[in-house]
Amino acid sequence: DQQVKQNSPSLSVQEGRISILNCDYTNSMFDYFLWYKKYPAEGPTFLISISSIKDKNEDGRFTVFLNKSAKHLSLHIVPSQPGDSAVYFCAARIPEYGNKLVFGAGTILRVKS
Amino acid sequence: GAGVSQSPSNKVTEKGKDVELRCDPISGHTALYWYRQRLGQGLEFLIYFQGNSAPDKSGLPSDRFSAERTGESVSTLTIQRTQQEDSAVYLCASSLVLDTEAFFGQGTRLTVV
Repeated sequence: DQQVKQNSPSLSVQEGRISILNCDYTNSMFDYFLWYKKYPAEGPTFLISISSIKDKNEDGRFTVFLNKSAKHLSLHIVPSQPGDSAVYFCAARIPEYGNKLVFGAGTILRVKS
Repeated sequence: GAGVSQSPSNKVTEKGKDVELRCDPISGHTALYWYRQRLGQGLEFLIYFQGNSAPDKSGLPSDRFSAERTGESVSTLTIQRTQQEDSAVYLCASSLVLDTEAFFGQGTRLTVV
């Protein structure tokens, strides 16, 4: 049962353009959503999060949007840079288990210079 | 150390042997998680510790897998009678219970031959 889905395995974007990474979820009990970035041979690193009571959170070039009615969130990266090339994981928190995170399968982002 | 530390970073073992993977979380973090990432797949939750107890063991794939945590610090994930399908990167993460961000180690790449 995949509660968090990232339906695009990969995305290729030109440097300077916007990257949009999408994530869908099924469990309405999730209270926080997070994006992690992972480079090869490294552990995932936290990027940005959003509470379920908000619809937008912005941090520099990164903005996360949450549409609760559609159970959909997206990560926007503007402008995209070659160093942003990585695997991006969407994750959702289940409150009754502390910080247990349910992860999506990831999307490989390639930013071409 | 400042971050989550995992050892060994790489482990090659023969099918049928037992392996132990170690995780040193960030000091003071009461929550500790083990995840697994098989080649080309997303992060799969294995087990979660709150202090030294594991309220959720639902992700352990089989009874060959076990984990323990002592002193609200170091955790060991043990895989008995390893099989080739156990080959994966095993990731450990820790967090403050009320925090939303989990910090990951660099992972242990396990290869069963």
